[in-house]
Amino acid sequence: RKEVEQDPGPFNVPEGATVAFNCTYSNSASQSFFWYRQDCRKEPKLLMSVYSSGNEDGRFTAQLNRASQYISLLIRDSKLSDSATYLCVGLSGTYKYIFGTGTRLKVLA
Amino acid sequence: DVKVTQSSRYLVKRTGEKVFLECVQDMDHENMFWYRQDPGLGLRLIYFSYDVKMKEKGDIPEGYSVSREKKERFSLILESASTNQTSMYLCASSNDRPSYEQYFGPGTRLTVT
Repeated sequence: RKEVEQDPGPFNVPEGATVAFNCTYSNSASQSFFWYRQDCRKEPKLLMSVYSSGNEDGRFTAQLNRASQYISLLIRDSKLSDSATYLCVGLSGTYKYIFGTGTRLKVLA
Repeated sequence: DVKVTQSSRYLVKRTGEKVFLECVQDMDHENMFWYRQDPGLGLRLIYFSYDVKMKEKGDIPEGYSVSREKKERFSLILESASTNQTSMYLCASSNDRPSYEQYFGPGTRLTVT
């Protein structure tokens, strides 16, 4: 079993829709979590850190559920520019970043 | 804004050549990392460094070495390039507490022929 698992998608949604991705992790020692966005042939870019209390940044909301060992990302009012691959990342200790293989999102006009 | 730069965006090398990939960060981060990314396999850690002259093997260090002589610079060396090292190479840096956020350079797409 992979340490961080994501549904690869693609998730095809119309503009303006709300879409949610889940990511499960198996290492209960993971302390910190992040969502990254990666465009085709580009580097991953940090979208947001995920806090135990949940956090929101504009149209994006991230939640952490330690009991069930998953994190989620909710995107409201999807834009065409949100089309990308979203990577879920867990951190154990200080250096061990575990990356999911990503969920592909396509927002359709 | 954190800035991580890599020496080349695209590189084509021949089998057996020695290859140097350089990475520089300007945020005084303690930690630096080299990953490779291949379709279907995600990001895999090659080496990381938590201080000048300190290095630790990641998950796939075979065929690679690294050098960190200055805090801001972390180099990846392919001693004798092989075709299975054709990949996208990503450098990253991070700080410790409180955020541990990791930032990536633009990547080097290396092709070994």
